[in-house]
Amino acid sequence: DIVMTQSPLSLPVTPGEPASISCTSSQSLQYRNGNNYLNWYLQKPGQSPQLLIYLGSIRASGVPDRFSGSGSGTYFTLKISRVEAEDAGFYYCMQGLQAPITFGQGTRLEIK
Amino acid sequence: EVQLLESGGDLVQPGGSLRLSCAASGFSFSSYAMMWVRQAPGKGLECVSGLFGNGGGKFYIDSVKGRFTISRDNSKNTVYLQMNSLTAEDTAIYYCAKDRVSGDGMWEIDYWGQGALVTVSS
Repeated sequence: DIVMTQSPLSLPVTPGEPASISCTSSQSLQYRNGNNYLNWYLQKPGQSPQLLIYLGSIRASGVPDRFSGSGSGTYFTLKISRVEAEDAGFYYCMQGLQAPITFGQGTRLEIK
Repeated sequence: EVQLLESGGDLVQPGGSLRLSCAASGFSFSSYAMMWVRQAPGKGLECVSGLFGNGGGKFYIDSVKGRFTISRDNSKNTVYLQMNSLTAEDTAIYYCAKDRVSGDGMWEIDYWGQGALVTVSS
């Protein structure tokens, strides 16, 4: 199974400040078509996860442009340019290249 | 609008069985892979099983192999998870999830249900 590792696991951020979460995979997530099968999700308290970023860098519909994803192969990053209070929750990376799907441990973003 | 509605969550004794259902609407159900993802209390996300739109390509994580069975009825737009020999470690919210792209052989999730709570306890 592909192992996904996130850091940091806890991230306190002041509103208006940037935030960054990294995700590494135990093997490359780039397929022969050039796509990187890495998604980012946000799970707000008491809610189901919601898709933020797919294929490593494409924002899902309705996701604010302060969220951006980058990376390729085994190293990926989620950045929030200016954190807002509504961004609080747990962020997960997920690989979809190979079954079983695997997730990172989750990063708790806390608003200071 | 895509909707995924889980049902069947319950309190069950260790060694017992339970079947979860997920009724889907708002998309061409038979064209998309579906997955079950669980979240134990206070823990992260774990995808326990998935299958392609045609019912093939089934996978399971090691801890549920031989105990859980995923299936789907495309005539009813429903995916199931049959869970047998349940243990306390299976206690979790179980989410039904839809693949993002039809038929590409990859596994991505774009929509999640609201979850069904399974509690295994005597």
